[in-house]
This record gives sequence, C-alpha cells and structure tokens, in this order.
Amino acid sequence: AQSVTQPDIHITVSEGASLELRCNYSYGATPYLFWYVQSPGQGLQLLLKYFSGDTLVQGIKGFEAEFKRSQSSFNLRKPSVHWSDAAEYFCAVRLGAGSYQLTFGKGTKLSVIP
Amino acid sequence: EAGVAQSPRYKIIEKRQSVAFWCNPISGHATLYWYQQILGQGPKLLIQFQNNGVVDDSQLPKDRFSAERLKGVDSTLKIQPAKLEDSAVYLCASSLEQGTSPLHFGNGTRLTVT
Repeated sequence: AQSVTQPDIHITVSEGASLELRCNYSYGATPYLFWYVQSPGQGLQLLLKYFSGDTLVQGIKGFEAEFKRSQSSFNLRKPSVHWSDAAEYFCAVRLGAGSYQLTFGKGTKLSVIP
Repeated sequence: EAGVAQSPRYKIIEKRQSVAFWCNPISGHATLYWYQQILGQGPKLLIQFQNNGVVDDSQLPKDRFSAERLKGVDSTLKIQPAKLEDSAVYLCASSLEQGTSPLHFGNGTRLTVT
C-alpha cells in the first residue's frame, strides 16, 4: 500500500530564513505528488503538484518542490519565509491516472519567529 | 468562484447520539469527497462520489457512517451512533473530475463527541 512520511512533526524558523519540509513516499512507480497547506480553522489549499516532466515544480506563495526519484522524496522549499506562512503542511500521494484515493502524510506544523 | 461550503462549523454531541454534516461543492464539480481529520493526523478519505454514484467507500465505517449525494450536487454525511473516537474535523472537498483535477476543500466541521 502506498504511504507518505513527513518525518518532522514541528519546525520553527525565523522570518526571512529558508525552509525545507521533507516528504518521502513508499510506492514502486512514480505517483502523483502534492503539497497542501492548512491554516488554523481552514480547509486545505493546494500549493503545488507533480505529475511528470520537470522535477522542480513551482507553486503558489513562492513555494517550490523537487521530486527525486532515487530518494522517493518530494521536499517543499521556500527561500525566505514570511510570518504568514505559519500553518500546517501536508504532503499527499495518488498512485496515478485511474487511481482516485489521495493519501496524506501526518503533516508538519510550521512556526515562524518574527 | 464560490468555494466549498460546509455546515455546521462546530458540533458537540454526546456518545451514542446522531449527527449530520452538509456540504455544497463548487458549482460544476462532479467529484465530491468526505475526509476525516483526527487531531495530529492527515486527512483520511471516507467516501468519494462521482456525480451521485459512490466511487470509493472502502474506509467508511458503514456500521455507523452513511453518506448520500442524491442529486449529484450537495451531500450529507451522517454518523449514528457516534463514538468518542469520531471526534475529528470532517472535511468536504470537490474537484472537476476524478483524474488530475485538484481538490478544493471546505473549512470543515469540527465534531466533538463527549
């Protein structure tokens, strides 16, 4: 069965510092990969997705993610964090075309120090 | 465009009582999902509809949970009777179709079972 691991439960960074949130997946083939963000009391918002092609994908709010097949990873990055980025971030995996179920990781909570 | 609407935002019930949640997806979205998000975990798919038909309900506890989408638009999720472990946020999401379309989430209903 496919699974998603986000090894960091909570990360704290200073405003203006760079950020990398880790995500590893377990599946034989290349799945569809997503990053979502959830602010307190809100639903999830899609930041970016990877289906195929260029392994570096750009998303909204200045985020990017890089797919590394050899490491089964899809880490999320941002060069300079803003206080408004404080939220919970979820990596998600779908097996591919024809598969409907989206499997989420447990999330990484990001705190930003002003 | 209007987002996914959910109600109520909060609900507190005693165990063994019943409860219902309502979701109105984005207009034109054929696919509707109900997710359960327990505190500290990522969302877990409960059921997926394509128009008014069920695509995947493999993780729905059918002895107590039921969902319907009678006219292929809005949907209700019911729990009867509720257990303490049902305390969670119930998220509704919709997408244009069930392939590569991104999911749009509502703000969720937070259920507390006492």
